[in-house]
Amino acid sequence: DTAVSQTPKYLVTQMGNDKSIKCEQNLGHDTMYWYKQDSKKFLKIMFSYNNKELIINETVPNRFSPKSPDKAHLNLHINSLELGDSAVYFCASSQDRVGTEAFFGQGTRLTVV
Amino acid sequence: GDSVTQMEGPVTLSEEAFLTINCTYTATGYPSLFWYVQYPGEGLQLLLKATKADDKGSNKGFEATYRKETTSFHLEKGSVQVSDSAVYFCALSIIQGAQKLVFGQGTRLTINP
Repeated sequence: DTAVSQTPKYLVTQMGNDKSIKCEQNLGHDTMYWYKQDSKKFLKIMFSYNNKELIINETVPNRFSPKSPDKAHLNLHINSLELGDSAVYFCASSQDRVGTEAFFGQGTRLTVV
Repeated sequence: GDSVTQMEGPVTLSEEAFLTINCTYTATGYPSLFWYVQYPGEGLQLLLKATKADDKGSNKGFEATYRKETTSFHLEKGSVQVSDSAVYFCALSIIQGAQKLVFGQGTRLTINP
């Protein structure tokens, strides 16, 4: 059983389109995250949710809208895609205590053409 | 703000060489510190961690010691293998509403036979 699963693994789309990436965790964690990894492998947190409530929003354009229907799911919807949105997006989850391990999904490689 | 700086890559070594990847951090309070590893095409996975000063994390022959006086958490391994080739990320964990992981820029390690 995959602990943190995200779909799709690859996404190629045209500029201006709207797309969603789904994430589910079966670890019973309270906290879920979205991270963006650029072409140089730099990882930057985008959002953090705790028990379905938005906790961290790191100056992400409002074209990006996370949605957490329940604490096991955190989806990412992106409107009006731009070339600069091309990256690998990682979902992760952890318990809500500092020092606990974060579990990552396999990533979604988004390519905007 | 809270940040992590790790040595620039890429790093290329021969099998059985000694490895050091430097990591220093800036944080208010007392963060937990982590090393994560990313193998090609995969998500990040925890390699080791330390939650307080002078703690040593270790796993798979890798070690790192939490040094508060030098704000460092350098990763070491006495004898690397080809299978250690990956990207290594140093990270700190703080509480900002929920646990927040801040990553360094990653160091790509290649081990040649």
